[in-house]
Amino acid sequence: EPEVTQTPSHQVTQMGQEVILRCVPISNHLYFYWYRQILGQKVEFLVSFYNNEISEKSEIFDDQFSVERPDGSNFTLKIRSTKLEDSAMYFCATLAGVHTGELFFGEGSRLTVL
Amino acid sequence: SQQGEEDPQALSIQEGENATMNCSYKTSINNLQWYRQNSGRGLVHLILIRSNEREKHSGRLRVTLDTSKKSSSLLITASRAADTASYFCATYNQGGKLIFGQGTELSVKP
Repeated sequence: EPEVTQTPSHQVTQMGQEVILRCVPISNHLYFYWYRQILGQKVEFLVSFYNNEISEKSEIFDDQFSVERPDGSNFTLKIRSTKLEDSAMYFCATLAGVHTGELFFGEGSRLTVL
Repeated sequence: SQQGEEDPQALSIQEGENATMNCSYKTSINNLQWYRQNSGRGLVHLILIRSNEREKHSGRLRVTLDTSKKSSSLLITASRAADTASYFCATYNQGGKLIFGQGTELSVKP
């Protein structure tokens, strides 16, 4: 069964460092998302990406965050200068052609900022 | 904002019992979805119910939708220890983003 793959599974970084989280979407999916889940809390929407541009972003997704699909396959989330409060699980999710259908999630990347 | 809110927040039952989780949302929807999350893992889609459907079944899962009350319920029948997980309802907002509720943490004791 096709799946969404995320790397790394766990990253520990120092505050102020840049972090790049990577996602390989399901090959024929058109819509891509990043979500975040702080430990013990709900899953929060960060950003949606369609047709090589951001279609919507949340208040959390400030100037420190960026997304891109550099090579047509990987979908990356960059945090430019990490803060302690960025520590969370980051989930990539993808969606096939119907833009109100089910999302397929990766297993997540756990980011720990020290 | 259009969000699903589940109750109860936590539910503990014995294996073999049924588990019922409820979800309320605020605005009109196209569909409502339920997802499951094992501890520390990604979310897995369980079932989608469209706004013109009232009930849907999938294996031991039964989902109902009442658009007049803006609520949905997820019933897991004959629960197993392996059903222990967090369960989230989710709806799309007008901008096309899927918004998740706080979740119900289900514990099924063997």
